[in-house]
Order: sequence, then C-alpha cells, then structure tokens
Amino acid sequence: EAQVTQNPRYLITVTGKKLTVTCSQNMNHEYMSWYRQDPGLGLRQIYYSMNVEVTDKGDVPEGYKVSRKEKRNFPLILESPSPNQTSLYFCASSLYGTGNEQFFGPGTRLTVL
Amino acid sequence: DQQVKQNSPSLSVQEGRISILNCDYTNSMFDYFLWYKKYPAEGPTFLISISSIKDKNEDGRFTVFLNKSAKHLSLHIVPSQPGDSAVYFCAASDRDDKIIFGKGTRLHILP
Repeated sequence: EAQVTQNPRYLITVTGKKLTVTCSQNMNHEYMSWYRQDPGLGLRQIYYSMNVEVTDKGDVPEGYKVSRKEKRNFPLILESPSPNQTSLYFCASSLYGTGNEQFFGPGTRLTVL
Repeated sequence: DQQVKQNSPSLSVQEGRISILNCDYTNSMFDYFLWYKKYPAEGPTFLISISSIKDKNEDGRFTVFLNKSAKHLSLHIVPSQPGDSAVYFCAASDRDDKIIFGKGTRLHILP
C-alpha cells in the first residue's frame, strides 16, 4: 500500500531533550516536506527536500533540522525542543514538488513540557 | 502577513446544495493552487488543483475557479454530501516549491 508513515504518533517530552520524528514513504517520491499545524494558524511548512542531499527552509524552520540521506526517509530533528514547538506535525511527499498532489502522513502530536 | 487567506473559519451548507469555499492570495508569483481536505485525526488529503495559467478545473463534484486579476480562487462542491464535512485548506505553491497554506475553513453539511 502506497503510504507515508511517521513515528512516533504521540510524544511527550521535556524542554531540551533532543528528539527525532521519522518519516518514510514507499512511493519513490522525489519531494518530501514537513509541516506543523497549530490552532488558528493552519499548516506551516518547516523544511522541504527536492531530492537526496537537497534540503531547503520553509516558512518556520527555526529550531528544526532535517536530513535526506535516502530517498524514502526524511527525519525531523529537534535538537533542543521548547514548549513553543508543541504542535501537530505532518510529513508529506509528492512525485516532484508542491504543484503536485502531496500525500500526507497521519501526523505526530508532540508535547514539550 | 498572510499570503494565503481563507476569511471564513466555518461554513454550514444544507445537504444537496452547493458549497462555495473562498481563498485570497497576495503573491502573483504563485504558479499552482491546491485544495486539501482534512478529517480529524488524519493527515490532509489532496482534493483538486489548478495551474495559474488556467481559470477553471473540474473533477467530479469539485470545481476550482481562479480569478487572477482579483487574486481569488474558490472551490465549489455540488451537490454537497455528509462526507464533505471536514476542514478545507487552500494552498499556493511557487516555482521554488515552497507552499503556503491558508488557515482553513471548517465545512459542516447539514442534513
């Protein structure tokens, strides 16, 4: 089944404790992206990647890192999480870019205490 | 400042009638516009898109209209069905493959 998977689905952590949210797609898509969804703010793009070893900042990249060492995986890294990074995070992928249909993962709800 | 605006946080429509969701944008360099639908506890799913060189795109019950001079697009759903109750996000994509989403409109289909 074609899908985007994210792990973990739920995470509660404390300020400053490094964490990684994994994202994987099995559709051989070139483009992958991370978003956060906050009440009243909609979806905001954090980082995106056009291909392996190519990453770019979205609208809200501060406090996040990403890497794209393999085509299928695009982990989101929070080196020192803070409470304002409490949010619902979505990973997505598409064949070529944002003008194409993006397939979203089920989301990761992160709480930083 | 918001580059993509959905000014109606919510909309209620009778089942069987037409639902019209609106979206305004400010950046004339956007080259694709897309609509995504989101149910609670799920990721967004793609609905329909339109290139900036077109003014209309239709897919079954869903039609998107683009008015470039007004920097406005709308999504028409005809006829509206109970399963259409969801949050709808308008999005605009630029040539660098960045994408900006609106804040969403919650659509309620009334029986």
